[in-house]
Amino acid sequence: AQKITQTQPGMFVQEKEAVTLDCTYDTSDPSYGLFWYKQPSSGEMIFLIYQGSYDQQNATEGRYSLNFQKARKSANLVISASQLGDSAMYFCAMGSNAGGTSYGKLTFGQGTILTVHP
Amino acid sequence: GAGVSQSPSNKVTEKGKDVELRCDPISGHTALYWYRQSLGQGLEFLIYFQGNSAPDKSGLPSDRFSAERTGGSVSTLTIQRTQQEDSAVYLCASSLHSTGPANEKLFFGSGTQLSVL
Repeated sequence: AQKITQTQPGMFVQEKEAVTLDCTYDTSDPSYGLFWYKQPSSGEMIFLIYQGSYDQQNATEGRYSLNFQKARKSANLVISASQLGDSAMYFCAMGSNAGGTSYGKLTFGQGTILTVHP
Repeated sequence: GAGVSQSPSNKVTEKGKDVELRCDPISGHTALYWYRQSLGQGLEFLIYFQGNSAPDKSGLPSDRFSAERTGGSVSTLTIQRTQQEDSAVYLCASSLHSTGPANEKLFFGSGTQLSVL
Protein backbone atom coordinates (compact mmCIF):
# COMPACT_ATOMS: atom_id res chain seq x y z
CA ALA A 1 0.00 0.00 0.00
CA GLN A 2 1.09 3.53 -0.68
CA LYS A 3 0.91 6.38 1.78
CA ILE A 4 1.55 10.10 1.46
CA THR A 5 2.00 12.30 4.51
CA GLN A 6 1.85 16.07 4.52
CA THR A 7 2.46 17.25 8.07
CA GLN A 8 1.80 20.95 7.56
CA PRO A 9 -1.92 21.74 7.55
CA GLY A 10 -1.15 25.40 6.90
CA MET A 11 1.84 27.50 5.93
CA PHE A 12 2.37 31.23 5.70
CA VAL A 13 4.97 33.03 3.58
CA GLN A 14 5.76 36.62 2.75
CA GLU A 15 5.44 37.65 -0.87
CA LYS A 16 8.73 37.21 -2.80
CA GLU A 17 10.10 34.78 -0.21
CA ALA A 18 10.69 31.07 -0.78
CA VAL A 19 8.66 28.38 0.96
CA THR A 20 9.04 24.62 1.35
CA LEU A 21 6.04 22.32 1.60
CA ASP A 22 6.83 18.95 3.11
CA CYS A 23 5.86 15.55 1.76
CA THR A 24 6.95 12.10 2.85
CA TYR A 25 5.83 8.88 1.26
CA ASP A 26 5.86 5.16 1.82
CA THR A 27 5.74 2.46 -0.82
CA SER A 28 7.21 -0.93 -1.59
CA ASP A 29 7.02 -0.40 -5.34
CA PRO A 30 10.43 0.00 -6.98
CA SER A 31 9.13 2.35 -9.66
CA TYR A 32 6.88 5.24 -8.81
CA GLY A 33 6.15 8.84 -9.63
CA LEU A 34 5.65 11.75 -7.28
CA PHE A 35 3.42 14.64 -8.25
CA TRP A 36 2.46 17.99 -6.80
CA TYR A 37 -0.87 19.62 -7.57
CA LYS A 38 -2.23 23.04 -6.69
CA GLN A 39 -5.89 23.59 -5.91
CA PRO A 40 -6.94 27.24 -5.75
CA SER A 41 -10.26 28.29 -4.28
CA SER A 42 -11.87 27.72 -7.68
CA GLY A 43 -11.47 24.00 -7.05
CA GLU A 44 -9.61 22.90 -10.15
CA MET A 45 -6.52 20.75 -9.60
CA ILE A 46 -3.49 22.09 -11.44
CA PHE A 47 -0.41 19.96 -12.13
CA LEU A 48 2.80 21.60 -10.94
CA ILE A 49 5.72 19.20 -11.06
CA TYR A 50 6.66 15.53 -11.39
CA GLN A 51 9.58 13.44 -10.08
CA GLY A 52 10.28 9.86 -11.11
CA SER A 53 11.75 7.44 -8.63
CA TYR A 54 14.70 6.72 -10.92
CA ASP A 55 15.39 10.33 -11.84
CA GLN A 56 18.87 11.34 -10.78
CA GLN A 57 18.23 15.05 -10.71
CA ASN A 58 15.62 17.01 -8.83
CA ALA A 59 12.78 18.23 -11.01
CA THR A 60 12.29 21.91 -11.69
CA GLU A 61 9.44 23.76 -13.38
CA GLY A 62 9.86 27.52 -13.37
CA ARG A 63 9.52 28.72 -9.76
CA TYR A 64 8.76 25.19 -8.57
CA SER A 65 11.40 22.66 -7.65
CA LEU A 66 11.15 19.30 -5.98
CA ASN A 67 13.66 18.38 -3.31
CA PHE A 68 13.73 14.61 -3.78
CA GLN A 69 15.52 12.58 -1.11
CA LYS A 70 14.87 8.96 -1.97
CA ALA A 71 16.59 7.41 1.03
CA ARG A 72 14.49 9.55 3.36
CA LYS A 73 11.38 9.04 1.21
CA SER A 74 10.69 12.71 1.00
CA ALA A 75 9.60 14.88 -1.92
CA ASN A 76 9.32 18.43 -0.70
CA LEU A 77 8.04 21.19 -2.96
CA VAL A 78 9.99 24.45 -2.99
CA ILE A 79 8.29 27.56 -4.33
CA SER A 80 10.67 30.42 -4.95
CA ALA A 81 9.71 34.10 -5.10
CA SER A 82 6.19 33.52 -3.77
CA GLN A 83 3.36 35.45 -5.36
CA LEU A 84 -0.08 36.31 -4.02
CA GLY A 85 -1.56 33.99 -6.63
CA ASP A 86 0.29 31.07 -5.04
CA SER A 87 -2.19 31.09 -2.16
CA ALA A 88 -3.96 27.74 -2.50
CA MET A 89 -4.11 24.17 -1.27
CA TYR A 90 -1.17 22.04 -2.34
CA PHE A 91 -1.34 18.27 -2.65
CA CYS A 92 1.49 15.77 -2.87
CA ALA A 93 0.58 12.54 -4.64
CA MET A 94 2.14 9.26 -5.70
CA GLY A 95 1.45 6.79 -8.46
CA SER A 96 3.02 3.58 -9.65
CA ASN A 97 2.39 1.01 -12.34
CA ALA A 98 2.72 -1.97 -10.04
CA GLY A 99 0.46 -4.80 -11.07
CA GLY A 100 -0.07 -3.25 -14.47
CA THR A 101 -2.01 -0.29 -13.16
CA SER A 102 -1.48 3.35 -14.07
CA TYR A 103 0.79 6.02 -12.69
CA GLY A 104 -2.28 8.21 -12.82
CA LYS A 105 -3.99 6.15 -10.14
CA LEU A 106 -2.82 8.47 -7.41
CA THR A 107 -2.66 8.36 -3.65
CA PHE A 108 -2.92 11.88 -2.30
CA GLY A 109 -1.76 13.48 0.90
CA GLN A 110 -4.11 15.57 3.03
CA GLY A 111 -2.81 18.81 1.59
CA THR A 112 -1.21 22.01 2.85
CA ILE A 113 -2.95 25.38 2.69
CA LEU A 114 -0.45 28.02 1.67
CA THR A 115 -1.17 31.66 2.36
CA VAL A 116 1.03 34.32 0.80
CA HIS A 117 1.06 37.65 2.63
CA PRO A 118 1.77 40.94 0.80
CA GLY B 1 -12.44 21.38 -25.86
CA ALA B 2 -9.35 22.89 -24.34
CA GLY B 3 -9.70 21.20 -20.97
CA VAL B 4 -11.59 18.53 -19.08
CA SER B 5 -15.25 19.47 -18.89
CA GLN B 6 -17.58 18.27 -16.15
CA SER B 7 -21.30 18.73 -15.75
CA PRO B 8 -23.22 19.69 -13.82
CA SER B 9 -20.99 21.89 -11.69
CA ASN B 10 -23.41 21.55 -8.80
CA LYS B 11 -26.01 18.90 -8.06
CA VAL B 12 -28.41 18.82 -5.16
CA THR B 13 -30.42 15.66 -4.72
CA GLU B 14 -32.56 13.91 -2.17
CA LYS B 15 -31.42 10.84 -0.34
CA GLY B 16 -32.35 7.72 -2.26
CA LYS B 17 -32.36 9.31 -5.71
CA ASP B 18 -29.98 8.34 -8.50
CA VAL B 19 -27.55 10.86 -10.00
CA GLU B 20 -25.41 10.94 -13.12
CA LEU B 21 -22.24 12.99 -13.41
CA ARG B 22 -20.66 13.62 -16.79
CA CYS B 23 -17.05 14.06 -17.84
CA ASP B 24 -15.70 15.08 -21.24
CA PRO B 25 -11.92 14.54 -21.32
CA ILE B 26 -9.30 16.39 -23.32
CA SER B 27 -9.38 15.32 -26.95
CA GLY B 28 -6.76 12.67 -27.62
CA HIS B 29 -6.37 11.61 -24.00
CA THR B 30 -6.84 7.88 -23.75
CA ALA B 31 -6.94 7.58 -19.98
CA LEU B 32 -9.78 8.87 -17.82
CA TYR B 33 -10.05 8.88 -14.04
CA TRP B 34 -12.68 9.67 -11.46
CA TYR B 35 -11.71 10.91 -8.01
CA ARG B 36 -13.77 12.00 -5.02
CA GLN B 37 -12.83 14.83 -2.66
CA SER B 38 -14.49 15.11 0.71
CA LEU B 39 -13.61 16.82 3.97
CA GLY B 40 -13.36 13.60 5.90
CA GLN B 41 -11.58 11.37 3.39
CA GLY B 42 -9.56 13.79 1.31
CA LEU B 43 -8.94 12.87 -2.32
CA GLU B 44 -9.76 9.27 -3.21
CA PHE B 45 -9.35 7.35 -6.45
CA LEU B 46 -12.59 5.81 -7.70
CA ILE B 47 -12.16 4.32 -11.17
CA TYR B 48 -9.83 4.41 -14.17
CA PHE B 49 -10.43 3.80 -17.87
CA GLN B 50 -7.72 3.19 -20.42
CA GLY B 51 -8.64 2.69 -24.06
CA ASN B 52 -10.64 -0.47 -24.59
CA SER B 53 -9.25 -2.24 -21.53
CA ALA B 54 -11.46 -3.27 -18.65
CA PRO B 55 -11.68 -0.40 -16.18
CA ASP B 56 -9.92 -0.47 -12.82
CA LYS B 57 -12.86 -0.21 -10.42
CA SER B 58 -10.85 -0.86 -7.29
CA GLY B 59 -11.67 2.50 -5.70
CA LEU B 60 -15.45 2.40 -5.99
CA PRO B 61 -16.79 2.51 -2.41
CA SER B 62 -19.89 0.38 -2.98
CA ASP B 63 -21.96 -1.31 -5.67
CA ARG B 64 -24.15 1.78 -5.78
CA PHE B 65 -21.37 3.42 -7.75
CA SER B 66 -20.74 2.64 -11.40
CA ALA B 67 -19.18 4.34 -14.38
CA GLU B 68 -18.98 3.87 -18.08
CA ARG B 69 -17.04 5.41 -20.88
CA THR B 70 -18.61 5.47 -24.30
CA GLY B 71 -16.59 5.50 -27.47
CA GLY B 72 -13.38 6.02 -25.56
CA SER B 73 -14.36 9.59 -24.78
CA VAL B 74 -17.18 10.84 -22.56
CA SER B 75 -17.67 9.16 -19.21
CA THR B 76 -20.63 9.04 -16.86
CA LEU B 77 -20.39 8.28 -13.16
CA THR B 78 -23.68 7.01 -11.74
CA ILE B 79 -24.54 6.86 -8.07
CA GLN B 80 -27.68 4.92 -7.26
CA ARG B 81 -29.79 5.40 -4.14
CA THR B 82 -27.65 8.29 -2.96
CA GLN B 83 -26.76 8.60 0.71
CA GLN B 84 -25.70 11.67 2.67
CA GLU B 85 -22.15 10.32 2.91
CA ASP B 86 -21.94 10.52 -0.90
CA SER B 87 -21.86 14.31 -0.61
CA ALA B 88 -18.50 15.39 -2.03
CA VAL B 89 -16.80 16.95 -5.01
CA TYR B 90 -16.39 14.43 -7.82
CA LEU B 91 -13.38 15.20 -9.97
CA CYS B 92 -12.66 13.81 -13.39
CA ALA B 93 -9.19 13.78 -14.93
CA SER B 94 -7.63 12.63 -18.16
CA SER B 95 -4.10 11.90 -19.33
CA LEU B 96 -2.16 10.80 -22.38
CA HIS B 97 -1.16 7.54 -20.72
CA SER B 98 2.04 6.93 -22.56
CA THR B 99 4.57 4.38 -21.38
CA GLY B 100 6.35 6.86 -19.17
CA PRO B 101 4.97 8.11 -15.85
CA ALA B 102 5.84 11.69 -16.71
CA ASN B 103 3.22 11.52 -19.45
CA GLU B 104 0.59 10.33 -17.04
CA LYS B 105 0.25 13.67 -15.30
CA LEU B 106 -3.42 14.29 -14.85
CA PHE B 107 -5.45 17.18 -16.16
CA PHE B 108 -8.46 17.73 -13.92
CA GLY B 109 -11.85 19.20 -14.51
CA SER B 110 -13.44 21.67 -12.13
CA GLY B 111 -15.52 18.96 -10.50
CA THR B 112 -19.15 18.38 -9.64
CA GLN B 113 -20.21 19.39 -6.13
CA LEU B 114 -22.76 16.80 -5.07
CA SER B 115 -24.99 17.53 -2.10
CA VAL B 116 -27.32 14.81 -0.84
CA LEU B 117 -30.06 16.14 1.43
